[in-house]
Amino acid sequence: SQQGEEDPQALSIQEGENATMNCSYKTSINNLQWYRQNSGRGLVHLILIRSNEREKHSGRLRVTLDTSKKSSSLLITASRAADTASYFCATDGRDNYGQNFVFGPGTRLSVLP
Amino acid sequence: DTGVSQDPRHKITKRGQNVTFRCDPISEHNRLYWYRQTLGQGPEFLTYFQNEAQLEKSRLLSNRFSAERPKGSFSTLEIQRTEQGDSAMYLCAVTGRDPYEQYFGPGTRLTVT
Repeated sequence: SQQGEEDPQALSIQEGENATMNCSYKTSINNLQWYRQNSGRGLVHLILIRSNEREKHSGRLRVTLDTSKKSSSLLITASRAADTASYFCATDGRDNYGQNFVFGPGTRLSVLP
Repeated sequence: DTGVSQDPRHKITKRGQNVTFRCDPISEHNRLYWYRQTLGQGPEFLTYFQNEAQLEKSRLLSNRFSAERPKGSFSTLEIQRTEQGDSAMYLCAVTGRDPYEQYFGPGTRLTVT
């Protein structure tokens, strides 16, 4: 099973509101990344946070990482209709079998105008 | 545009046939990854290359799958004796200046009938 798990599975908000998505993982990691995927389109890299970082910002995005809890959150502030997409967290780490790259099942965000 | 092209974009094949997909980054990238994605799920890691060396392969990957990157630039993914369960989107990704940020191609959608 995938180690990355996003929460919630689906989120619906009004334009202008903030959206928060959470991700949990199980193994040690080198870094954690968030990606966006619009319906029928490719995956787009949003932000990377390394295991020794606790918080990172990029525009309207804020990512936190708590390695003690093996969790991360993605906050999108002042959401827009164009933010409607699926958001995936992905971990780059190691398990007993070697290096692994694991994506979660994603959070489907709908931003209503 | 991530600078990664994949060919073909769509492939329909009969069960038992072999298929080969190609991934072409437009410039030199050290790392190249292959993923598989089914509807409503995040990408599932298949394998990755550092230059021409295949460094990791998912332990869950059937031996019907093989990948090559002969000159450290383009890569091919072959599936032998396809099964209906192989139907998915096959994604290729490369790293940029940061060795961990991945940039995805548009994918090849495989349908096995």
